Amino acid sequence: EVQLLESGGGLVQPGGSLRLSCAASGFTFSNYDMSWVRRAPGKGLEWVSNVNTGGDTTYYTDSVKGRFTISRDNSKNTLYLQMNGLRAEDTAVYYCARTPYYYDNTGYYYYFDYWAQGTLVTVSS
Amino acid sequence: EIVMTQSPATLSVSPGERVTLSCRASESVSSNLAWYQQKPGQAPRLLIYVASTRATGIPARFSGSGSGTEFTLTISSLQSEDFAVYYCQQCKSWPLTFGGGTKVEIK
Repeated sequence: EVQLLESGGGLVQPGGSLRLSCAASGFTFSNYDMSWVRRAPGKGLEWVSNVNTGGDTTYYTDSVKGRFTISRDNSKNTLYLQMNGLRAEDTAVYYCARTPYYYDNTGYYYYFDYWAQGTLVTVSS
Repeated sequence: EIVMTQSPATLSVSPGERVTLSCRASESVSSNLAWYQQKPGQAPRLLIYVASTRATGIPARFSGSGSGTEFTLTISSLQSEDFAVYYCQQCKSWPLTFGGGTKVEIK
């Protein structure tokens, strides 16, 4: 059974830092891209970041570029999100999600097939 | 960035009714679209990918259709456990983007 278990959320002051972790089990972690997706209070889902299987290719939404860093440790089956320079607008429930892809002759296409339960990050003074 | 727009924002429905949710992309995504269901306090759940392929364990009452810029999620006969928020997501290009969601509530 695929399981994703997050930790690291909490209350942090504006400008502060937090590191989220996501421990994976029930599948071969190193075979899958992984992502972080968030949902701010009263808002919809927003993709935040993606990392490829080897950890050497990453993508970010514009609003977190330069502040957040996604990484993974395949030996520990764990995904991370280092969040620096946090702002009030980063307040959200953060989900890690397994991110399979398919492809054709025009590109690669990514979706999210398993999600963790979410961890709340609150940025407030 | 591809903007995804869902309509309506809220849908009031009685159990047993047929439900149709719409999703529009600001540019063609071909068939590269997924649908998710999210209930309060729960993680999202993948329903459909590649526009019309049901994910593992998803009941047959859920079906997806469309291509290009117009997509539809249909629930053939709404069950009590289907009251939730539904999101579409384009899979074509970075940044991956979601629609704003459609809340299906009890009438």
